[in-house]
Amino acid sequence: GDSVTQMEGPVTLSEEAFLTINCTYTATGYPSLFWYVQYPGEGLQLLLKATKADDKGSNKGFEATYRKETTSFHLEKGSVQVSDSAVYFCALRSMSPLTQGGSEKLVFGKGTKLTVNP
Amino acid sequence: KAGVTQTPRYLIKTRGQQVTLSCSPISGHRSVSWYQQTPGQGLQFLFEYFSETQRNKGNFPGRFSGRQFSNSRSEMNVSTLELGDSALYLCASRRWSGGSTDTQYFGPGTRLTVL
Repeated sequence: GDSVTQMEGPVTLSEEAFLTINCTYTATGYPSLFWYVQYPGEGLQLLLKATKADDKGSNKGFEATYRKETTSFHLEKGSVQVSDSAVYFCALRSMSPLTQGGSEKLVFGKGTKLTVNP
Repeated sequence: KAGVTQTPRYLIKTRGQQVTLSCSPISGHRSVSWYQQTPGQGLQFLFEYFSETQRNKGNFPGRFSGRQFSNSRSEMNVSTLELGDSALYLCASRRWSGGSTDTQYFGPGTRLTVL
């Protein structure tokens, strides 16, 4: 079945450092890919997404490019801030067969905890 | 526009009891999905509802069930609670447009503790 593998961390960086969180996937076809972020005590917030190969999703200084050839969707940010401290989840959209009428689910990686120190 | 809301935010139950969690989707969203988040298993899909019908179900025992109402609000129920059911239960809604732009938006979750 579909799966997502991401570096689990934890990752600890100093403010203004460069961030990379690796994410690779296994799926049938070319699924949409997402990065969600979870702050302490909260639910998941959509950070960015890409729906087809070579698409680049970006938001709040974060970027990720959908690489079909390497089945990857690595998250990057050029200069992290203390406020970026959170858990980051890579996910793919897994579609159900037509018999289930267009249902879909998200398949998540295990999450990467990022701590940014001042 | 209001986001996905979940009630209650926190629950404490004992083994053997049952629990009902509630989710109100974003206005205009017709699909509601439920996920369980635990430290050991991570985020796992429970089920998705659309038009008051369960459309897809994850690999969970029959003790986990749900329903959706005509206004798209959803409830999930867990019967005969076990210690391992302690988790953060997240609800997500989407439009059900079928296109690649359809995105799931999550609520803050309900933290269930089973003693």
